[in-house]
Amino acid sequence: QVQLQQWGAGLLKPSETLSLTCGVYNGSFSGYYWNWVRQPPGKGLEWIGEINHSGSTNYNPSLKSRVTISVDTSKNQFSLKLNSVTAADTAVYYCARGPYKWGYMDVWGKGTTVTIS
Amino acid sequence: EIVLTQSPDFQSVTPKEKVTITCRASQSIGSSLHWYQQKPDQSPKLLIKYASQSISGVPSRFSGSGSGTDFTLTINSLEAEDAAAYYCLQSSSLPLTFGGGTKVGIK
Repeated sequence: QVQLQQWGAGLLKPSETLSLTCGVYNGSFSGYYWNWVRQPPGKGLEWIGEINHSGSTNYNPSLKSRVTISVDTSKNQFSLKLNSVTAADTAVYYCARGPYKWGYMDVWGKGTTVTIS
Repeated sequence: EIVLTQSPDFQSVTPKEKVTITCRASQSIGSSLHWYQQKPDQSPKLLIKYASQSISGVPSRFSGSGSGTDFTLTINSLEAEDAAAYYCLQSSSLPLTFGGGTKVGIK
């Protein structure tokens, strides 16, 4: 059964760069779209963007100027970088698998809490 | 950007009661609407895809309906373990957007 395991720094200062990585285990990497979603404390979910194994990306326009999602197919990993963070970027960040481009997400990581302070 | 409006924001329900959550889209999205359950300190879990398609392993008391702009998630005979937040997600156009969520509590 495919599992997503994510890691990265949990505490950042304003203006720093958020960096998270998600590893895909026990499942295929190609043929899927790999997503990042975040959830501020006590609030709802926000889609950040997606990437496929070829490196084709789609981003949320609200974050596009600060976001980069990349892929390392040799390690079955994909990563998120968010520049110039502020307190508003404090959230739980999830990685998730999508069977289709711009589609639903069916497998999720456990989430990483990132605090900007 | 397509805005999804969920109602109600919160619902307190007695076990075995029927729960209905609605999600309204700001424009027609066909059947590109999916439902998630999120329990405290857990990741979202996919319940229903494409408005009404069931997901393997999800109890049959969860069902979805609707198309166009109006969608419904129904929980028949609520169980205590169904206490959670429920979110809709649209995948008709970018950016993907979620509804604001509905919290279901147990009386």
